[in-house]
Amino acid sequence: KNQVEQSPQSLIILEGKNCTLQCNYTVSPFSNLRWYKQDTGRGPVSLTIMTFSENTKSNGRYTATLDADTKQSSLHITASQLSDSASYICVVSEITGGFKTIFGAGTRLFVKA
Amino acid sequence: DTAVSQTPKYLVTQMGNDKSIKCEQNLGHDTMYWYKQDSKKFLKIMFSYNNKELIINETVPNRFSPKSPDKAHLNLHINSLELGDSAVYFCASSQDQQRRQYFGPGTRLTVT
Repeated sequence: KNQVEQSPQSLIILEGKNCTLQCNYTVSPFSNLRWYKQDTGRGPVSLTIMTFSENTKSNGRYTATLDADTKQSSLHITASQLSDSASYICVVSEITGGFKTIFGAGTRLFVKA
Repeated sequence: DTAVSQTPKYLVTQMGNDKSIKCEQNLGHDTMYWYKQDSKKFLKIMFSYNNKELIINETVPNRFSPKSPDKAHLNLHINSLELGDSAVYFCASSQDQQRRQYFGPGTRLTVT
């Protein structure tokens, strides 16, 4: 079982609508959680990064929330645009002696006109 | 200006061959990484280099070897390529392990 689970696997929304993507993790001890956007055929691009003491972080129309107690994070996209169509990947880092980064499988978002 | 660059972008080769993928970053970062993204789109870390020292090696076969000639470069050498090595390989860099990572455009490797 992956230590970082994302839902839904895929999502289709109409342009202009809002949506929320979920990320649940079991990684412990937790260091930080990041959301990346990956366009088809390109490398991931960082959207937000949060440590355990942060509850929310915004980047334009993207707002990430983090509940370190329940080990849940969400990424809310406001007023979606066609260019938001991409995979959104949740990444959680832990520190146990060394340093380990675990990627979720991603949520594939399709924004339709 | 390109922050993290990889060459080649596409690589098609036969089983048993040895190949290399190059990565360069001009961000002055101290840490560089190699990731493999398989057909299911999972990104798995392969190596991490910090100041030319290997600090993570996630049970990668020893046919894969990272080589860092200097802080700005982390090349990936693959010996005796196998069909299962077909994937997209991403290079990334960050100021340190706690900071955001900047990814390269990826190299699509196809082994026939």
